[in-house]
Amino acid sequence: EDKVVQSPLSLVVHEGDTVTLNCSYEVTNFRSLLWYKQEKKAPTFLFMLTSSGIEKKSGRLSSILDKKELFSILNITATQTGDSAVYLCAVVRGGATNKLIFGTGTLLAVQP
Amino acid sequence: DAGVTQSPTHLIKTRGQQVTLRCSPKSGHDTVSWYQQALGQGPQFIFQYYEEEERQRGNFPDRFSGHQFPNYSSELNVNALLLGDSALYLCASSRRTSGAASSYNEQFFGPGTRLTVL
Repeated sequence: EDKVVQSPLSLVVHEGDTVTLNCSYEVTNFRSLLWYKQEKKAPTFLFMLTSSGIEKKSGRLSSILDKKELFSILNITATQTGDSAVYLCAVVRGGATNKLIFGTGTLLAVQP
Repeated sequence: DAGVTQSPTHLIKTRGQQVTLRCSPKSGHDTVSWYQQALGQGPQFIFQYYEEEERQRGNFPDRFSGHQFPNYSSELNVNALLLGDSALYLCASSRRTSGAASSYNEQFFGPGTRLTVL
């Protein structure tokens, strides 16, 4: 059975800290891995990773994929209170619909 | 350009009732996927509609059904509601690349409908 596991489940840090969020997966017909930020309702897209070892960066956020070990990490440097959210990892399973298989998410709370 | 829209925002129902949730995709998108997100969990794939047909279904009972209209908008229907159906229901739209199952096109999520079953 396909599964996506995120860790930790929750995390509390102070502004300025650096955090690393983990996502491991076992998914048949892996296509790509996505990271989303969910603050209130709609998940908002952060990164799509398809190739191993190529870091994607956007400001203070970066992410990398290891297709041999079947995991990805999302790093956030110099955290701000606005980074507080649930971070979701999803794997695109190839096929007729390319459906997304989500992990349970990591709840990040950044304290001032 | 409006993004993905969903209605209603919130809904309260009692056990045994039926509910219909609506989704309008982003302009230019033709594919709609529905997800259920229980509290503290990640979204779970319910089904996907393209060309007015259900293309794939997740592990959900037949009480969950859907429809896609010619204008690409979609409805999710849930019959005989259970307490466990309480969740945030998310709709995501995308544009299917012609020819292919092989390429993934980004799914844009709507704000969701919060369903509470009492």
